[in-house]
Amino acid sequence: DTGVSQNPRHKITKRGQNVTFRCDPISEHNRLYWYRQTLGQGPEFLTYFQNEAQLEKSRLLSDRFSAERPKGSFSTLEIQRTEQGDSAMYLCASSLPTYTEAFFGQGTRLTVV
Amino acid sequence: AQSVAQPEDQVNVAEGNPLTVKCTYSVSGNPYLFWYVQYPNRGLQFLLKYITGDNLVKGSYGFEAEFNKSQTSFHLKKPSALVSDSALYFCAVRPPGATNKLIFGTGTLLAVQP
Repeated sequence: DTGVSQNPRHKITKRGQNVTFRCDPISEHNRLYWYRQTLGQGPEFLTYFQNEAQLEKSRLLSDRFSAERPKGSFSTLEIQRTEQGDSAMYLCASSLPTYTEAFFGQGTRLTVV
Repeated sequence: AQSVAQPEDQVNVAEGNPLTVKCTYSVSGNPYLFWYVQYPNRGLQFLLKYITGDNLVKGSYGFEAEFNKSQTSFHLKKPSALVSDSALYFCAVRPPGATNKLIFGTGTLLAVQP
């Protein structure tokens, strides 16, 4: 499968714990995006990487959230001291450097209990 | 504030009939416009996009969309609906300028009855 891959697909964690998600983009795509989707809403932009550089961050990305893309390939999104309000689907997408569509992974569903 | 509106939470249509899913946007300048579809337990799948040029764009699975600049709309259409088209549809815009984010609408659930 050459699409965007996200792991894990589901994560249940206790409030206050840290969690980390991984995204493997389509191999030739140098742009990578993270979005968050809550029930009944459309995805909301969190952050954007071009290669290893994090070039854009939403104000939704509080200081408990950190994203990395160390070698310009896969990316990780870490949430520290999780809160119940963090429960959502976290979506990763990637695209080519021209103004083209982004391709989304299946997401990681986080439940904070 | 920049926003995308999908005024219908759900659209019901009989199989074989034409369908329209509405989208309007509030973004200054000339944004890029997209439609995505989300099936249960699946990621968002790209359907079509408008960047520039002809106002009628054609996409995957027989879908098309019409860009109307004066009405700031980008409605999704299909001449003949299939039961398998039943899914959640999202309109999205990429504002012009130095941003790479997409702004999504809240989604419209399309239900096609056999």
